[in-house]
Amino acid sequence: QKEVEQNSGPLSVPEGAIASLNCTYSDRVSQSFFWYRQYSGKSPELIMSIYSNGDKEDGRFTAQLNKASQYVSLLIRDSQPSDSATYLCAVNMYGSSNTGKLIFGQGTTLQVKP
Amino acid sequence: DAGVTQSPTHLIKTRGQQVTLRCSPKSGHDTVSWYQQALGQGPQFIFQYYEEEERQRGNFPDRFSGHQFPNYSSELNVNALLLGDSALYLCASSFRGYGYTFGSGTRLTVV
Repeated sequence: QKEVEQNSGPLSVPEGAIASLNCTYSDRVSQSFFWYRQYSGKSPELIMSIYSNGDKEDGRFTAQLNKASQYVSLLIRDSQPSDSATYLCAVNMYGSSNTGKLIFGQGTTLQVKP
Repeated sequence: DAGVTQSPTHLIKTRGQQVTLRCSPKSGHDTVSWYQQALGQGPQFIFQYYEEEERQRGNFPDRFSGHQFPNYSSELNVNALLLGDSALYLCASSFRGYGYTFGSGTRLTVV
């Protein structure tokens, strides 16, 4: 089982629709969860972080966390063509170290069609 | 406030050669993590340096080694390069594993 799993997609949605991206993780003790956006050939850019169960909203983005189900999701409302990118789910895992390591899923490619 | 700086931006090497990539962390950060990102894949954790020691390591062979200097900057060394080592190499700095900031990456092509 991979530590962080995502559906690679591509996920295609029409402009203005809601895009829903999902992620599951294996480490039950993880406390920090992140969504990064990555455009082709560029480095990942942090768009959302979430630490507690429930929803966290920031503009058109909402992150949802369910620690019992080990599940994180990202909703993008009013999707725009500029949102077309790869979205990476990342989990900060500590294990036996006091410095966490950020582990990524394989990413979901989102295509927003005008 | 300077972010994370990586050098070089692009690099072409021949199979069997050795390569060194460099990373300067964001001001105030003391931990450096290195990632390999192959085309179409998510970043894979190589290792992490804190207090000039390797603290955590991913599933990478010993050909991959690193170093952290007293000023917190870091190097990634790869020996005996294989075609499969071609990838985007990302450096991320943090303060003890909190608040990651990524550099722009080094694109390594092995021919």
